[in-house]
Amino acid sequence: EAQVTQNPRYLITVTGKKLTVTCSQNMNHEYMSWYRQDPGLGLRQIYYSMNVEVTDKGDVPEGYKVSRKEKRNFPLILESPSPNQTSLYFCASGQGTTEAFFGQGTRLTVV
Amino acid sequence: GIQVEQSPPDLILQEGANSTLRCNFSDSVNNLQWFHQNPWGQLINLFYIPSGTKQNGRLSATTVATERYSLLYISSSQTTDSGVYFCAVPYNQGGKLIFGQGTELSVKP
Repeated sequence: EAQVTQNPRYLITVTGKKLTVTCSQNMNHEYMSWYRQDPGLGLRQIYYSMNVEVTDKGDVPEGYKVSRKEKRNFPLILESPSPNQTSLYFCASGQGTTEAFFGQGTRLTVV
Repeated sequence: GIQVEQSPPDLILQEGANSTLRCNFSDSVNNLQWFHQNPWGQLINLFYIPSGTKQNGRLSATTVATERYSLLYISSSQTTDSGVYFCAVPYNQGGKLIFGQGTELSVKP
């Protein structure tokens, strides 16, 4: 089954404690990206990658890191999480401008 | 950049009613997607529809690319249709999706 898998689905952490949200896709897509969704602000892109070892900033990259060492994985790293990074996070993958697919979402709370 | 606007922002229906959601976009696009975000927050792909009409059960979608709009039709609505419906178009050669602000649908039993 074609899918994008994110883990964990839910996470509560404390300010400053490094965390990683994993994302994996099994569709051999070149494009992967991360979005965050906040009430009143909609979905905003954090980072994207158009191929292995190629990443670029989206609209709200501050406080986040990514890496694309293999085609299927695109982890999101928060080196020092802060409460304003409390959000619903989505990983997505696609091939060019064709259909994009989203992971199940990760609800992150930073206290 | 491209603007995507959805209407109406909110919609309350009685179970069994039909509805039409609209998505307008400000520039030509070569793809458009409709998503349903269910009450658990998951984004479910409904349609990938650059142009023309597609149907999937009680849902159908039409995109008129030359006039820069797309419509999502929901017939015989059910309570499980509740949630937020988003349309989105690609930007930056597909590296990014631009989302509308969504239509929040509530179907009452």
